Amino acid sequence: EVVLTQSPGTLSLSPGERATLSCRASQSVSSNYLAWYQQKPGQAPRLLFYGASSRATGIPDRFSGSGSGTDFSLTISRLEPEDFAVYYCHHYGRSPLTFGPGTKVDIK
Amino acid sequence: QVQLVESGGGVVQPGRSLRLSCAASGFTFSKSAMHWVRQAPGKGLEWVAAIWYDGSNKYYTGSVKGRFTISRDNSKSTLYLEMNSLRADDTAVYHCARSMFDNSGFDAFDIWGQGTMVTVS
Repeated sequence: EVVLTQSPGTLSLSPGERATLSCRASQSVSSNYLAWYQQKPGQAPRLLFYGASSRATGIPDRFSGSGSGTDFSLTISRLEPEDFAVYYCHHYGRSPLTFGPGTKVDIK
Repeated sequence: QVQLVESGGGVVQPGRSLRLSCAASGFTFSKSAMHWVRQAPGKGLEWVAAIWYDGSNKYYTGSVKGRFTISRDNSKSTLYLEMNSLRADDTAVYHCARSMFDNSGFDAFDIWGQGTMVTVS
């Protein structure tokens, strides 16, 4: 099973600042089968990136995904008020699929 | 529009059974692998089960193997999760989700339902 570790657990930032979220896998993720989701309270998760760096439909370009192997990151270049949420990384290469514990980005 | 709508949640006693449904619309359901993902109150996301677009393959997380069964009816564009021998730690919101590429297996999830709450108590 691929165990995903996300850091930090909470990121306290102000609008306009840059956010960098990390996701580390316990073993190499084949073909970069790594996705990122955003979830706001009371809502379903929303796909941001798949294949580590391919932006999903409708995702603003202030969001970027990168990484390979065991180390992946999600960057938000300038935080907008609507970006304050919980972000999850997700390995989907093989069963069991796994999620990281999440990083909460909250307003400082 | 493209959407998934779950139903069937509720309060159930430990050891009892429940069947969840997920009605799909706005896309060709029969071409999409489907998943169940749950989220316990205040906790993160946990993948539960997957079924290939044609039902030929099914996969489960370890904690539900032998207790939960995923199935689908492509003629009704509906996904199911039969849950038996329910335990308190199965309490969660259960979301259905779609693999984003047609006729494939494991992919990222591009469409999610709002979820249905299951409380085992």
